[in-house]
Amino acid sequence: EADIYQTPRYLVIGTGKKITLECSQTMGHDKMYWYQQDPGMELHLIHYSYGVNSTEKGDLSSESTVSRIRTEHFPLTLESARPSHTSQYLCASSGKSTGNYGYTFGSGTRLTVV
Amino acid sequence: DAKTTQPPSMDCAEGRAANLPCNHSTISGNEYVYWYRQIHSQGPQYIIHGLKNNETNEMASLIITEDRKSSTLILPHATLRDTAVYYCIVRPRDDYKLSFGAGTTVTVRA
Repeated sequence: EADIYQTPRYLVIGTGKKITLECSQTMGHDKMYWYQQDPGMELHLIHYSYGVNSTEKGDLSSESTVSRIRTEHFPLTLESARPSHTSQYLCASSGKSTGNYGYTFGSGTRLTVV
Repeated sequence: DAKTTQPPSMDCAEGRAANLPCNHSTISGNEYVYWYRQIHSQGPQYIIHGLKNNETNEMASLIITEDRKSSTLILPHATLRDTAVYYCIVRPRDDYKLSFGAGTTVTVRA
């Protein structure tokens, strides 16, 4: 059973639309992360949060934004989707309970912007 | 400036042990070694981690050299379902972010 949930799994959307990718975890982890991965390529950290009302940008610059109003919820928003945003987005969380802050990943959202 | 070096790919036979090497010659005393794997395009899966001592769990064993400059992940009896990209990652004790790198693509053959 998954302890971290991402919705939707697949999303095809037109250019210029606003989208929000959802990520929720039930493990009570204080730390959450968003990664972006193109097919066959490396994962890149785009956002992370170490607690409520705390968010930081990752190593890869992204036009997306995130929020952390509740511990269990870490949504990612694109205000105006473009074809260059087409990618897979993976959410993860970590806490003391998972192998000394080992990550648990969601199943990902495959975004296609047409 | 990659913190770890892994071979890009390796094959192993089903039922045999798979030994995955990782070089982390610049590791410092407060940095952990983590291993993850990613099967196809699923989210990566945590395997094991260690600081100085060798570690074993139900999935794998982690052997860290005494000088901590390299480590080996051992899958004791590889199955076809172990085919994946395996990532060796060094993480400081007080920095929880992970950089995944290119990893090693492991193909288990029948």
